[in-house]
Amino acid sequence: LAKTTQPISMDSYEGQEVNITCSHNNIATNDYITWYQQFPSQGPRFIIQGYKTKVTNEVASLFIPADRKSSTLSLPRVSLSDTAVYYCLVGDRNSGYALNFGKGTSLLVTP
Amino acid sequence: GAVVSQHPSRVICKSGTSVKIECRSLDFQATTMFWYRQFPKQSLMLMATSNEGSKATYEQGVEKDKFLINHASLTLSTLTVTSAHPEDSSFYICSAREGGRNSPLHFGNGTRLTVT
Repeated sequence: LAKTTQPISMDSYEGQEVNITCSHNNIATNDYITWYQQFPSQGPRFIIQGYKTKVTNEVASLFIPADRKSSTLSLPRVSLSDTAVYYCLVGDRNSGYALNFGKGTSLLVTP
Repeated sequence: GAVVSQHPSRVICKSGTSVKIECRSLDFQATTMFWYRQFPKQSLMLMATSNEGSKATYEQGVEKDKFLINHASLTLSTLTVTSAHPEDSSFYICSAREGGRNSPLHFGNGTRLTVT
């Protein structure tokens, strides 16, 4: 059973910044938040992982507030190739919910 | 980075036959691998956890006798769909962690199974 809630879909124009928020009210103290990207007919690809505050890598930033009950994946200046489904996963110390995918957010980027 | 290779990428089989899907961690050892199934326009559903040297752990509702999992080595897990039927047609994806429980999952590119 997924422990996360995300918007079902989002639309954006090329070149804009896209922020996708995930709610995870029951996150456990030692759990990490991980985001994946999936293109059609491919396996998901790891984007970014964080525990608190802000994490940035070459493709995205992850913002996590102090209460850690939500997180926001930020994609700067999206391109058409960023059209994909984005999933956030949260670990659970007891039953490994970091393995269970929610419905994800389908992002459509248009010219 | 960690690479998970899955083979075949696509397979078509007749109803009643069995199909084997291989999942390999190419540059790391994976004591545990995970098998998922994904139907069109749906999310990934965890089927089972494959443990090296021991029996797989299946999620509720997944038939262990139909979906045989063998984790023969630290780099190879196989999923065999036995006596496949059209309703087994789906996208099967394996994954593995390079490190501990909070390490990210690395996924194979999936296998598109079509049962005619």
